[in-house]
Amino acid sequence: EVQLLESGGGLVQPGGSLRLSCAASGFTFSSYAISWVRQAPGKGLEWVSTINDGGDSTYYADSVKGRFTISRDNSENTLYLQMNSLRAEDTAVYYCAKSTVTRLFDYWGQGTLVTVSS
Amino acid sequence: DIQMTQSPSSLSASVGDRVTITCRASQGINNYLAWYQQKPGKVPKLLLFAASTLLSGVPSRFSGSGSGTDFTLTISSLQPEDVATYHCQEYNSALLTFGGGTKVEIK
Repeated sequence: EVQLLESGGGLVQPGGSLRLSCAASGFTFSSYAISWVRQAPGKGLEWVSTINDGGDSTYYADSVKGRFTISRDNSENTLYLQMNSLRAEDTAVYYCAKSTVTRLFDYWGQGTLVTVSS
Repeated sequence: DIQMTQSPSSLSASVGDRVTITCRASQGINNYLAWYQQKPGKVPKLLLFAASTLLSGVPSRFSGSGSGTDFTLTISSLQPEDVATYHCQEYNSALLTFGGGTKVEIK
């Protein structure tokens, strides 16, 4: 059974940093691209970032480019999102999602809440 | 960047009604359009891809159509378990984009 378990969310002040983790199991982690997708309270979904299976190609939404860094450790089956220079508009539930070859999201974690507020 | 516009943002319909949700892309995306269902308090679930291909196990009352810039998701006979927010997603471009979501409720 595919499982994705996010952690690392919490309350952070504007301008602060946070590192999210996503522990994966139930599939061959190193064979799939993985993404972060976020959802602000009461809002729609927003794709944040994707990293390819090998970890050598990364993609970012314009809203986070230059502030967020996605990475993965295939030996630990873990995905990361380093978030710097956080803003109030980054407040959201952050989901990690397994990507298909065609860049759809077929499995989702339960999400971790990030709140940016003073 | 591609913008995806969903309409309506919410709707209320009776059990058994036919429900149609529209998703419009700001530029052509061929048929690289997927739909997700997100029930209250749950994570999104992939329903359809390639505009009209249902995933295994998705009830046949769901259908999708469209190509280019205009797409629709139709529920032929709304059921209580279909209460959810529906999101479209384009996957034609390198930067993926979701629509704003459509909340479906029972009248």
